[in-house]
Amino acid sequence: KNEVEQSPQNLTAQEGEFITINCSYSVGISALHWLQQHPGGGIVSLFMLSSGKKKHGRLIATINIQEKHSSLHITASHPRDSAVYICAVYLYNTDKLIFGTGTRLQVFP
Amino acid sequence: GAVVSQHPSRVICKSGTSVKIECRSLDFQATTMFWYRQFPKQSLMLMATSNEGSKATYEQGVEKDKFLINHASLTLSTLTVTSAHPEDSSFYICSARKEFRTGNEQFFGPGTRLTVL
Repeated sequence: KNEVEQSPQNLTAQEGEFITINCSYSVGISALHWLQQHPGGGIVSLFMLSSGKKKHGRLIATINIQEKHSSLHITASHPRDSAVYICAVYLYNTDKLIFGTGTRLQVFP
Repeated sequence: GAVVSQHPSRVICKSGTSVKIECRSLDFQATTMFWYRQFPKQSLMLMATSNEGSKATYEQGVEKDKFLINHASLTLSTLTVTSAHPEDSSFYICSARKEFRTGNEQFFGPGTRLTVL
């Protein structure tokens, strides 16, 4: 069993839909990253959070430390949101990142 | 800001040659950088941790003589793939650790796609 699990693995949506991607982890962490990777491209950090909720534009990330769970929400999805979204956690007291397997999102017009 | 660059973005080389990939933190100093490898449709795999002024720490199963890492300054780490073979073809991504008052965060480079013929 992976230490960081994401669901769903693949997600298709119609433009304008509200999207949720989930991340559960089984290790002690100091913080959690949500990352975005476009096809053939580099990785962009969307959020780093260790508690509560963060919002940036149409993106919202939440984390529940007690339940070891985080969600990434995209409101009013757009085809340009199509990418792989990766959840990664910083192992507690280390710099080591443990990555989830990613969620491949496709938003159709 | 926290910008990390990689060079080259794409490289094609012949089997047996060596390839050097550079990772630079453009607007901050990074005592620690990380090198990852990513296979198609898979997640990132940590290869090694690069520490400025000291030897890199390699993950289990990564050949240190094959993947040479040099972190000679606070803004530059290099990964040299020596005697490259087709199985070394992959997407290599670096990250640089930036220290904040509240903790550390990794910022990723755009990646280098290596194709060995």
